[in-house]
Amino acid sequence: AQSVTQPDIHITVSEGASLELRCNYSYGATPYLFWYVQSPGQGLQLLLKYFSGDTLVQGIKGFEAEFKRSQSSFNLRKPSVHWSDAAEYFCAVGDGNKLVFGTGTILRVKS
Amino acid sequence: NAGVTQTPKFQVLKTGQSMTLQCAQDMNHNSMYWYRQDPGMGLRLIYYSASEGTTDKGEVPNGYNVSRLNKREFSLRLESAAPSQTSVYFCASRPRGFGDTQYFGPGTRLTVL
Repeated sequence: AQSVTQPDIHITVSEGASLELRCNYSYGATPYLFWYVQSPGQGLQLLLKYFSGDTLVQGIKGFEAEFKRSQSSFNLRKPSVHWSDAAEYFCAVGDGNKLVFGTGTILRVKS
Repeated sequence: NAGVTQTPKFQVLKTGQSMTLQCAQDMNHNSMYWYRQDPGMGLRLIYYSASEGTTDKGEVPNGYNVSRLNKREFSLRLESAAPSQTSVYFCASRPRGFGDTQYFGPGTRLTVL
């Protein structure tokens, strides 16, 4: 079965600092990979997705992610974090008609 | 477009009561999904409907039933609620093919006492 691991439950960064959220997946073929963000009390919003081609994917709100097949990773990055980025972030892998989600990483931003 | 809508937003039940969570999408999407979200566990798939007229079990289907009423609507029913079903429930829809983005509703927060 496909699986996604997000090893960091919480991450705290200072406003203006760079950010990297880790995601590792287990999938036999070329995966479809997604990052979603969830603000408190809200539903999930897509940040970006990877299907094929360029391994560096640009998303909304200044986020990007890099697909590394050799490491089975799809880490999310942002060069300069804003206070409004505080939220929970979920990595997911497509499995046929379904998505398999990681357990999420809660991002705290300190001023 | 309203996207994916869910009703109710909040609900409190007593153990053994039944209820139905409603979900509708106005994007003409083929596939619809029900997830539950619990702290530290991410989102877990309860049931999904790949197309109108079909439904399939996900990872945690026990205690739930679903109905794909038409292409727009996908309801989730709890026949006899248990405290373990206290959770936030999300409905999602997806256009068609593999790799398409899933679009999520705002969620229903359910408490079972």
